[in-house]
Amino acid sequence: GIQVEQSPPDLILQEGANSTLRCNFSDSVNNLQWFHQNPWGQLINLFYIPSGTKQNGRLSATTVATERYSLLYISSSQTTDSGVYFCAVPDGGGFKTIFGAGTRLFVKA
Amino acid sequence: GAVVSQHPSRVICKSGTSVKIECRSLDFQATTMFWYRQFPKQSLMLMATSNEGSKATYEQGVEKDKFLINHASLTLSTLTVTSAHPEDSSFYICSARDRRGEYNSPLHFGNGTRLTVT
Repeated sequence: GIQVEQSPPDLILQEGANSTLRCNFSDSVNNLQWFHQNPWGQLINLFYIPSGTKQNGRLSATTVATERYSLLYISSSQTTDSGVYFCAVPDGGGFKTIFGAGTRLFVKA
Repeated sequence: GAVVSQHPSRVICKSGTSVKIECRSLDFQATTMFWYRQFPKQSLMLMATSNEGSKATYEQGVEKDKFLINHASLTLSTLTVTSAHPEDSSFYICSARDRRGEYNSPLHFGNGTRLTVT
């Protein structure tokens, strides 16, 4: 099956700093999602981004499908950005969705 | 739109009992729903795919007799953890995709159920 690697595994930021999270995948995909899991376990859908670039406030994402990676940019980080960020891609012929191991982010006040 | 409701959010049960978790798509229909399990500080692992009107498809290593899945309608799937043991304690999350979009539409997740077996 497809392999999904996320980096870095852990990240500590000072409030106001910017960061880039990366997701590499081993096979071609026709969709990709970024999620934020908050400390209460809720999964928040950030981006559905099979290719190209999208922006939503302080967050933006870029997927380069031909090179098999996606990037999530967080600008002017806030303490509420803390949590785990997952990327997820289809596997099993596109039917199932597989998650990367996640990037655990802590933003200090 | 695209809301998935999951209940209960938290449950504590005694070893040997069964627990049922419900997952509902509130404003869309889902031919297929997915059940994930997440252990502390780990990623989400797909347990099974719930198919409306037919048997669920389980991932390798997941006991189908222990984790019973029923997908009785296009808006409801249930996961029953039978004869629960402490090692079944985990965070269970369901997800669904709007049937109109099939593979090329986002997955939407419930808020999860934290199961503790004593």
